[in-house]
Amino acid sequence: GAVVSQHPSWVICKSGTSVKIECRSLDFQATTMFWYRQFPKQSLMLMATSNEGSKATYEQGVEKDKFLINHASLTLSTLTVTSAHPEDSSFYICSASKPKSSGNTIYFGEGSWLTVV
Amino acid sequence: AQKITQTQPGMFVQEKEAVTLDCTYDTSDQSYGLFWYKQPSSGEMIFLIYQGSYDEQNATEGRYSLNFQKARKSANLVISASQLGDSAMYFCAMREGSYPGNQFYFGTGTSLTVIP
Repeated sequence: GAVVSQHPSWVICKSGTSVKIECRSLDFQATTMFWYRQFPKQSLMLMATSNEGSKATYEQGVEKDKFLINHASLTLSTLTVTSAHPEDSSFYICSASKPKSSGNTIYFGEGSWLTVV
Repeated sequence: AQKITQTQPGMFVQEKEAVTLDCTYDTSDQSYGLFWYKQPSSGEMIFLIYQGSYDEQNATEGRYSLNFQKARKSANLVISASQLGDSAMYFCAMREGSYPGNQFYFGTGTSLTVIP
């Protein structure tokens, strides 16, 4: 079964609005979660590392004011795309390391397809 | 330098045959983990197999096995008895150390197509 759950799977929003994507670890506590963006036929691009109880660490070139990350609990991290524009349309996917699994294996959420119209 | 290199953008394999997907990595750390993920067209990333740098035996998980050659810094994925459902993108990944907060590095992926 799923280890990390992400919601929503699909979202369409209007330009200028904000959209929130949730990432939950289902049967473990995740002090760290990762948010990725993936363009068609490309690899995953790390956007930010979400740390429970502290500010997220953003990768170079990622606008922290546009992609707000909140890791309010040990099982939930949220990514909010603010003032969305069509160029923000993409596939967003989160991940978390499951403790005590082999190598603290990272498991991914199902991903969220965002379309901004 | 790229941390993870996958040199095969696309691969084809006949159903029921075995296929090897190449992956080489670059790290100066002694402790690291190597992972393979499958990404079907739906987008989800499915964990397949893990190999620790200190593991002496090659990892196996059902039809998946990891050919770990430490001196060559390669971690090829072998899929035996390919099935049509194996058609997907495959990503090799590495994490240096084992701390859960350490970044994952991904290769560019290999698109596998299984031919009936």
